Amino acid sequence: QQQVKQSPQSLIVQKGGIPIINCAYENTAFDYFPWYQQFPGKGPALLIAIRPDVSEKKEGRFTISFNKSAKQFSLHIMDSQPGDSATYFCAASMKENYGQNFVFGPGTRLSVLP
Amino acid sequence: DAGITQSPRYKITETGRQVTLMCHQTWSHSYMFWYRQDLGHGLRLIYYSAAADITDKGEVPDGYVVSRSKTENFPLTLESATRSQTSVYFCASRGPPQETQYFGPGTRLLVL
Repeated sequence: QQQVKQSPQSLIVQKGGIPIINCAYENTAFDYFPWYQQFPGKGPALLIAIRPDVSEKKEGRFTISFNKSAKQFSLHIMDSQPGDSATYFCAASMKENYGQNFVFGPGTRLSVLP
Repeated sequence: DAGITQSPRYKITETGRQVTLMCHQTWSHSYMFWYRQDLGHGLRLIYYSAAADITDKGEVPDGYVVSRSKTENFPLTLESATRSQTSVYFCASRGPPQETQYFGPGTRLLVL
């Protein structure tokens, strides 16, 4: 119940395409869903996050879509650029048991071709 | 500099040696974490700390020891390094907004 599943494992798109990364969770106690972006040689950095009381959140070219009933959420990158090439991790968290409740998906390696 | 820092950034050691990885944060966040990142495994939690002098095991704690005598520091020690501990180690702290996690730049450890 603590797992977060993420797909695809890797993704290649052309510049201007709209890559979509999907995540699914089981534990309905999760109440915070962030996405992290990690460039080679760097630590993961918070990209965008959503709470389950909204179905969509946009920040620039990045959009999270959230489906509470299906327990799924996804990241869409509009007008993708080669600079978006990175590994993306979804995560889920809850207020209870802060220490171990931050669960990461396995990551998606995105390559945006020029 | 504000934020979370790790040292060393790169480390090569030999099997059986003791290695300590340092982590320092300037935000006074209560929670701090150590992860290791390996191909095919994503981020795996080694240990975490809720406050000074309070630590607990994560998913993969064997072979590691942590301490937290001060809120801002959270060192990770490999008591007797093994080749399987070759990895990239990330320290993180948790704080606002939304209690998210903030990661350090990582330490790349090679155990020969």
